[in-house]
Amino acid sequence: DVKVTQSSRYLVKRTGEKVFLECVQDMDHENMFWYRQDPGLGLRLIYFSYDVKMKEKGDIPEGYSVSREKKERFSLILESASTNQTSMYLCASTPTDGSNQPQHFGDGTRLSIL
Amino acid sequence: AQSVTQLGSHVSVSEGALVLLRCNYSSSVPPYLFWYVQYPNQGLQLLLKYTTGATLVKGINGFEAEFKKSETSFHLTKPSAHMSDAAEYFCAVSGGAGGSYIPTFGRGTSLIVHP
Repeated sequence: DVKVTQSSRYLVKRTGEKVFLECVQDMDHENMFWYRQDPGLGLRLIYFSYDVKMKEKGDIPEGYSVSREKKERFSLILESASTNQTSMYLCASTPTDGSNQPQHFGDGTRLSIL
Repeated sequence: AQSVTQLGSHVSVSEGALVLLRCNYSSSVPPYLFWYVQYPNQGLQLLLKYTTGATLVKGINGFEAEFKKSETSFHLTKPSAHMSDAAEYFCAVSGGAGGSYIPTFGRGTSLIVHP
């Protein structure tokens, strides 16, 4: 089974801090994704990556950046955290040619910005 | 671009009753279709998927869904609800006309099961 591991389940940070959320997958998947989930809004795509050092903006990239230095690891960075970034963050992965493949999700990181 | 509509942000049923969660998509060319379940404080996990072949798809925990091209629908059903089915359910599509390998998710339906 694919395992997607997010480094923190719960995280509390202060406004203005630089925040790193880490995600690791163990199945050699090419594609990795970061979503945020808010009540009533479903999942919104922040960034995705289809290869090492490659990244593409999703629907809501403002205030975020990403890093993919190794195939198995995809990091989400909040450059200067703000209270409106308090949310549940979900990482996911799929193999190449993944349109008929399901996404494999981590357990999420619930981030609170005070 | 594709869109996915899940009718009803909340659905409430009694234990033992039929569960019906609705999903409609916008693509004119059949896409790939997925249902995911999310239990509290967890990530999403796959319930079932339709790619090609039989239009009635069976998934885990007794759930099934039927792909109806003429209605552009992929509704999720379970004959008899159990308390443990209480969760958030997401429909997703990828591929098809105007689609890519990046899925489009519906906004989710929260299933509430009463004793």
